[in-house]
Amino acid sequence: KQEVTQIPAALSVPEGENLVLNCSFTDSAIYNLQWFRQDPGKGLTSLLLIQSSQREQTSGRLNASLDKSSGRSTLYIAASQPGDSATYLCAVRGNAGNMLTFGGGTRLMVKP
Amino acid sequence: EAQVTQNPRYLITVTGKKLTVTCSQNMNHEYMSWYRQDPGLGLRQIYYSMNVEVTDKGDVPEGYKVSRKEKRNFPLILESPSPNQTSLYFCASLGPGLAEAFFGQGTRLTVV
Repeated sequence: KQEVTQIPAALSVPEGENLVLNCSFTDSAIYNLQWFRQDPGKGLTSLLLIQSSQREQTSGRLNASLDKSSGRSTLYIAASQPGDSATYLCAVRGNAGNMLTFGGGTRLMVKP
Repeated sequence: EAQVTQNPRYLITVTGKKLTVTCSQNMNHEYMSWYRQDPGLGLRQIYYSMNVEVTDKGDVPEGYKVSRKEKRNFPLILESPSPNQTSLYFCASLGPGLAEAFFGQGTRLTVV
């Protein structure tokens, strides 16, 4: 059974810092990996989708990488801003049964 | 616009009173799924459906029912809600293989 782990569980940084969020998964047989943002009590906003054949995807200040063989993905946020404060979730889509498995999330706070 | 629509967004009900949370997608996706999100437990899958009339249990199916009579709709039914089903619920829709997952805005359910 796929297991997804996100480290750290919480992170507090001053504004302007570059930061890295980590996601690891146990079964490398995946279709893709998706990063989401969730504000407190709100829905999930899709940030980046990386296919299993890709190494990275970029959107603005966000860059996500994928190393499928080692079961790892990172989300890099450049020049963090207070508006980036949220919980970031990674989800892995398995290629057996289309299962989508979530990590526990990283709660990020960016201080002004 | 690709969309997953859940209703209602907020619901307070009493123990034992049957309720249905609706979910509809406009992308002709075959795969749909329900999750619940609880503090400290992350997102857990309740039920999923691979196609019309094909449903299966996820990780936490107890106390829930689903149906998939048509491709666009996947309602979640609580026959006799209990306080431990108080949670934030999300419906998801996935396209084939490489496609990203789309989520509804969530339904916050409180059972008193």
